[in-house]
Amino acid sequence: GNSVTQMEGPVTLSEEAFLTINCTYTATGYPSLFWYVQYPGEGLQLLLKATKADDKGSNKGFEATYRKETTSFHLEKGSVQVSDSAVYFCALNPNQAGTALIFGKGTTLSVSS
Amino acid sequence: NAGVMQNPRHLVRRRGQEARLRCSPMKGHSHVYWYRQLPEEGLKFMVYLQKENIIDESGMPKERFSAEFPKEGPSILRIQQVVRGDSAAYFCASSPPGTLSPLHFGNGTRLTVT
Repeated sequence: GNSVTQMEGPVTLSEEAFLTINCTYTATGYPSLFWYVQYPGEGLQLLLKATKADDKGSNKGFEATYRKETTSFHLEKGSVQVSDSAVYFCALNPNQAGTALIFGKGTTLSVSS
Repeated sequence: NAGVMQNPRHLVRRRGQEARLRCSPMKGHSHVYWYRQLPEEGLKFMVYLQKENIIDESGMPKERFSAEFPKEGPSILRIQQVVRGDSAAYFCASSPPGTLSPLHFGNGTRLTVT
C-alpha cells in the first residue's frame, strides 16, 4: 500500500541553524511528493512539491529532492528563522484515479532566537 | 480569488447532538476532500467527493458520519450523535480536476464535544 513516514518531533533549533526533516514513503506506481506547512491556528499550505524522480522542489529557502532509490523526500533549509516555527507534513499523491493525498504524522519545528 | 472557506471555525456540541461542518471550495475546484486531525496522529483522510458523487469514503467511520457535495452549495460533513472522541480539527481541501493538482486547504473547523 501507500504510506508516508516522517521523523517525530519536536525539532528544536536556534535561529540560523541547519534543518533536516526526514521523510520516507512506500508507494505503488509513480507518486508525486509534497511538503505542506501548518502555522498555528491555520490550515495547511503547500510548501513545495516534486512530481518525478530526481526532481527538486524548492520554496522560501526550503528544498527537498525526490529520491526514488531511497524512497525519500527529506526537507532541508540552510538557515532557519523564528518565523519557520510550524508543523511540517510530508505527503504523497499516488497519482491513481480516485485517490487522495496521504500525509505523514507531521513534525513540529520550534526555532528560538 | 477567495481560498477554501470553512465554517464555523469553532463548534461546540454536547454528546448526542449533531455537528454540521461546511466547506466552500475555491472557485473552479470541483474536488473536495475532508481530513481529520487529532493530536499526535497527523492528518487522516476521511472522504473524497466530486459534485454529487462520493469517490472514496474509505476513511469515514461506518456509523454516524456522512458527507455530501451537492450540485449547488458547499460540501457538508455531518456527524450525528457526537461523542467525545469526535473532538478534533476537521480540514477541508479542494483541487481542480487532475491527479497532479495540489490541494488547497481551509483553516479548519475545531469541534469540541462536551
